[in-house]
Amino acid sequence: DAGVIQSPRHEVTEMGQEVTLRCKPISGHDYLFWYRQTMMRGLELLIYFNNNVPIDDSGMPEDRFSAKMPNASFSTLKIQPSEPRDSAVYFCASTAGGFSPLHFGNGTRLTVT
Amino acid sequence: EDQVTQSPEALRLQEGESSSLNCSYTVSGLRGLFWYRQDPGKGPEFLFTLYSAGEEKEKERLKATLTKKESFLHITAPKPEDSATYLCAVQLKEGGKLIFGQGTELSVKP
Repeated sequence: DAGVIQSPRHEVTEMGQEVTLRCKPISGHDYLFWYRQTMMRGLELLIYFNNNVPIDDSGMPEDRFSAKMPNASFSTLKIQPSEPRDSAVYFCASTAGGFSPLHFGNGTRLTVT
Repeated sequence: EDQVTQSPEALRLQEGESSSLNCSYTVSGLRGLFWYRQDPGKGPEFLFTLYSAGEEKEKERLKATLTKKESFLHITAPKPEDSATYLCAVQLKEGGKLIFGQGTELSVKP
């Protein structure tokens, strides 16, 4: 299995631009999570899906952030408009649920100038 | 408020010098506790899951233990390749949400 695949690995954009991060979970995993990691705040849960349905989006910072999961093998996290304080590493993770651990992708490092 | 605290923030060891990392938690209900290892530029990699007080898990030089209030990750005779950030995460019984600690950055010098 290729694991959780995220793209792009690095994204540099200017303030005000739209940014789209992509994730392909492990096949057969019913849960998908989006996390953000910064030095100050560590790993923060943004949103998670179960069977493509958003279950908890209470961690999404504000309306500029949105996430979709149109099918079991693809999810996007969009920031529009982006701001410098959005600079962070964004991780996608998936799990089969129950007591199974999360499996993380290698993240997208976002820099907003 | 549900909280997970790891200590120390950073730990420097000489090769072969054993030590322990701590993860203390205050949560409304514990479903499980996870340990992850994170290398620079990579996502966290799963190490162990612990479910109940008294449980222990081992893998090579690492051993994880769990009590009702904290977990320890013991590193025996570490090697430079054990250098990484070690993250602890608590899964809540209600809703299954995973809360991460800030991590301990371990550096092992030859």
